[in-house]
Amino acid sequence: SAVISQKPSRDICQRGTSLTIQCQVDSQVTMMFWYRQQPGQSLTLIATANQGSEATYESGFVIDKFPISRPNLTFSTLTVSNMSPEDSSIYLCSVLTPAKLFFGSGTQLSVL
Amino acid sequence: KQEVTQIPAALSVPEGENLVLNCSFTDSAIYNLQWFRQDPGKGLTSLLLIQSSQREQTSGRLNASLDKSSGRSTLYIAASQPGDSATYLCAVPWQGGSEKLVFGKGTKLTVNP
Repeated sequence: SAVISQKPSRDICQRGTSLTIQCQVDSQVTMMFWYRQQPGQSLTLIATANQGSEATYESGFVIDKFPISRPNLTFSTLTVSNMSPEDSSIYLCSVLTPAKLFFGSGTQLSVL
Repeated sequence: KQEVTQIPAALSVPEGENLVLNCSFTDSAIYNLQWFRQDPGKGLTSLLLIQSSQREQTSGRLNASLDKSSGRSTLYIAASQPGDSATYLCAVPWQGGSEKLVFGKGTKLTVNP
């Protein structure tokens, strides 16, 4: 199993600002994922963060808007840049273990 | 493109009832299927993982079945309790054995005391 600490748990931000979300895992993992869950919608994969290389972004998501860092095998950050109200969502990090996918507790972001 | 549908979107039952949540997926070439529970402010918790070679998995009062040929899975909850109230999500790999998952929108379950 894996224990994931995600911070902040929630934030209210002003339009045009940026927010960095942190994800800390209690063990070394190769692959970390960042998901977004918009209100009333399913989770959508933003990107895959691999240590030592640039993140791989899914269709509809770009590095300028969602820069990701992965400095080591236990930590990653996702930044939501130049925020607009449409970015109001829950953002979740997850890690893959041989058995299952584990998720952080999520960051509830509201953009005014 | 893999798509996952969950029915019903919401369900309200009295305590003690047995209930079934449904999940369907469009591409049956999956390696596994997972059921998750989502509580507000607590992220997602993996409940059951069914490998493609399995037909069902059980954990306590939960039983999940998988029928790959028909593209369906069900989550059976026995003797429901108010603490079971949450949103239940199913997810399958993007393609085959991909680590990336495609999620349904979930079923919001309310168990009334």
